[in-house]
Order: sequence, then C-alpha cells, then structure tokens
Amino acid sequence: AQSVAQPEDQVNVAEGNPLTVKCTYSVSGNPYLFWYVQYPNRGLQFLLKYITGDNLVKGSYGFEAEFNKSQTSFHLKKPSALVSDSALYFCAVREVDNAGNMLTFGGGTRLMVKP
Amino acid sequence: EPEVTQTPSHQVTQMGQEVILRCVPISNHLYFYWYRQILGQKVEFLVSFYNNEISEKSEIFDDQFSVERPDGSNFTLKIRSTKLEDSAMYFCASLGTVNIQYFGAGTRLSVL
Repeated sequence: AQSVAQPEDQVNVAEGNPLTVKCTYSVSGNPYLFWYVQYPNRGLQFLLKYITGDNLVKGSYGFEAEFNKSQTSFHLKKPSALVSDSALYFCAVREVDNAGNMLTFGGGTRLMVKP
Repeated sequence: EPEVTQTPSHQVTQMGQEVILRCVPISNHLYFYWYRQILGQKVEFLVSFYNNEISEKSEIFDDQFSVERPDGSNFTLKIRSTKLEDSAMYFCASLGTVNIQYFGAGTRLSVL
C-alpha cells in the first residue's frame, strides 16, 4: 500500500521569502512523486514530478522539489514566494510497478503568501 | 495545450437518482481515471481504465459505480442510485507517455 503525509495543513509565508511545503511518502517499491496545485474552484494542475535521475527537480512557476530517498521525503520549495502562489498544494505518489498507475494524494497544504 | 474537459461543471440531483458525469480525455492518452474530493478532504482514487476495461478500483468504487468509454473520445462515470455521501467534486484524469496524469476542472456533484 502507498501513502502520503503532508504534516502541515497551512503554511504562511511573506511575499519574497522562501517557502517549503513538506511531503513524506510510503511505498513498497520505487516511487514516482508529483506535486499538484489547486486554485479555488479549479482542477488539479501539475507542477512537477520525480521519476528518476537528479534528486532536485524543477517545475512550473519557479517551484522545485528535492527527492530524499533515505528520509522518504519530497518537499516542495520556492526561493521567493509570490502572493499569486497562494493555493492548495497536493503531493502524490505512484508506485513504479503499479499497473493501474493510480495516484495516492496527501491531505493537501494550504499556502498563504501575504504581501 | 490539450486538456481534459469535464461536463457538467455542477450537477444537482435528488438522492436515489442516477447521474452520469462526462469527461473527454486528452486524445492520444491511453489510461483514464476518476478521482473524487469530498469537501475539505483529500483527493481519493476511484477507478482506472485501460484498453476498454477497469484496471484497478478502490473500495469506494462499489456496485453503484460504473465507467464506460462509449466512443473514441468520451469517458463516463455513472452512479446508479446517488446517496447524500456521494456529494463531492469528481475529477477525471488521463495519462500520457510522460507519466503525468492531467486532470480536468472537475464536476461538483450535489446530492439533495
């Protein structure tokens, strides 16, 4: 079974400051890891993924995430937050050998960036 | 940029009625999915569909649910007899060759 934990319901950051949204995962095999963002009344928008290769992956809108196998983490980061980054962020995992390719999501973290 | 489209955006129904939620996945994608998100809760997997059959389903996806790809473009989720607890946002997704599931904007189902 696979699972994802996002330990913070909400993260508050001042505009211009760096942000981190935490994610840890559990899978029995190798993981594919994803971050999605959800704006109010919108669907899930893909941000970035880790499949293989470099542990630091870069995605849309200046976001990046670091895969840490020993800590089973995939934290989302951005060097300088914007007010427009305020949204709900979901981490998701998929087991590499999962035939159905289903994603398991964390509970989501609401990011609030204040001017 | 190609996208997954879902209709309707909001569906209101009476308890016990059947509903069909519709999705048009991205045209060259081969795997299709339904997820749901009850208000304030996490996104939950319902079912995946490949090569015209269900490849995986969750415990939520009981006999009241069914999926179909009636033609080359549509992918539908049917709930036979809706319950109050079926009220949620339902998301369709499709998977391409780069291991990314692309999601539609969702259908908000309200069961009264």
